[in-house]
Order: sequence, then C-alpha cells, then structure tokens
Amino acid sequence: SQKIEQNSEALNIQEGKTATLTCNYTNYSPAYLQWYRQDPGRGPVFLLLIRENEKEKRKERLKVTFDTTLKQSLFHITASQPADSATYLCALDLTSGTYKYIFGTGTRLKVLA
Amino acid sequence: GAGVSQSPSNKVTEKGKDVELRCDPISGHTALYWYRQRLGQGLEFLIYFQGNSAPDKSGLPSDRFSAERTGGSVSTLTIQRTQQEDSAVYLCASSPLAGELFFGEGSRLTVL
Repeated sequence: SQKIEQNSEALNIQEGKTATLTCNYTNYSPAYLQWYRQDPGRGPVFLLLIRENEKEKRKERLKVTFDTTLKQSLFHITASQPADSATYLCALDLTSGTYKYIFGTGTRLKVLA
Repeated sequence: GAGVSQSPSNKVTEKGKDVELRCDPISGHTALYWYRQRLGQGLEFLIYFQGNSAPDKSGLPSDRFSAERTGGSVSTLTIQRTQQEDSAVYLCASSPLAGELFFGEGSRLTVL
C-alpha cells in the first residue's frame, strides 16, 4: 500500500543546533514534495516545495533535500530557535503531476532554550 | 488579501444530525482540498477539486460524506447522520495550479 512515514517520536534538540526531520515514502512517484509547519490549533503553513528534478532547496535557515532513488526527503533547520517548535508535515502528490497531495503524520519538534 | 476562510470554526452536534462545513478559498485558486485531522494525528485526504474537472472523491470515508464546489469557488462539506468517530478538525486548502496549499484554520467538529 502507499505510505508516507515521518518520525512518529517527538524530536527534542538544544537551541542553536541543527534539526533534521525525515520523510520516507513507498510506492509513489511524486513530482513535488512540500514541507509545512503546523502550530497547535492552527492550519498548516507552507514552508518549501521541491521538485523531483531538484536535489536541494534552501530558504533562510531551512534546507530540504529530495532523493527519488531512496524515496526520502530530509528537512533541516539550522541554528534552531525555541520559536521553531511545532509539528512539521511533509506532503507529496500521489501521482506525478496530479497535485493531489497526501500528507505524512508529522513530526513534533521541540527546541529547548 | 484574504486567506482561506472556514466556517463555523467550532461545531458541536448530536449523533445522527447532519452538518455542513463551508470553505471560502482564495480568489483565483483553481484547486480546493478537504482534509480531516483527528486529535494528535496527521492530515487525512478527503476530496480534491481541480478547475472544472470531476472531483477526486477517493478519500471520502463513507457515503455519509459529500462535498460540492459551486461556481469554482465556495465549497461545502456535508456529513450526514454524524457519528462520534466523525469528531475531528476539518481543514480546507486552496491552491493555484502546481503551487503551495493555503490552509484555513479549520472547522472543529464535536459529535456528542
């Protein structure tokens, strides 16, 4: 069956360190992969989009990689801050180019001061 | 400009009643999505509208659930004969083609 996996355990890191979150998928051939941030009681907010022909995308302290061979995306937050504490969700389009996005279960990140 | 607007923000209903949840997407966005999020869980895909194409209803959990999008804009998600298992936050998102999804704040449904 088709599946998107993210670390189910919460990730606690010290302020200033780099947080790395993983998103693994099976049985998909996505054209796009996106990362979102969700705070408690709020809707998800878009962070980054990466295409299948892109290896890496950066935005300020955020970096996303996309390995279509490993079927994995890594999401990095450098110089993490307590304000980065949230749940992070990956999403990918079910079949290349359909823009029908399926989400992973999310990873809760807590940055400790 | 305005973002995605959802109403009601909170709805408490009794088991067996019907409910309607409304989504006003961002003007000009061709795609509209509904997701369900149970407490502490991820987003569960329900339905996807894209332009004038037939909607992808593959995520609707039962025939008690239906959705429509009128005039390519406002969408309504209807749940008939609600059950306690329907309690969740229902999130709507809109998107320009091939772009990011813009989410509303959700409609929290509690079925007693």
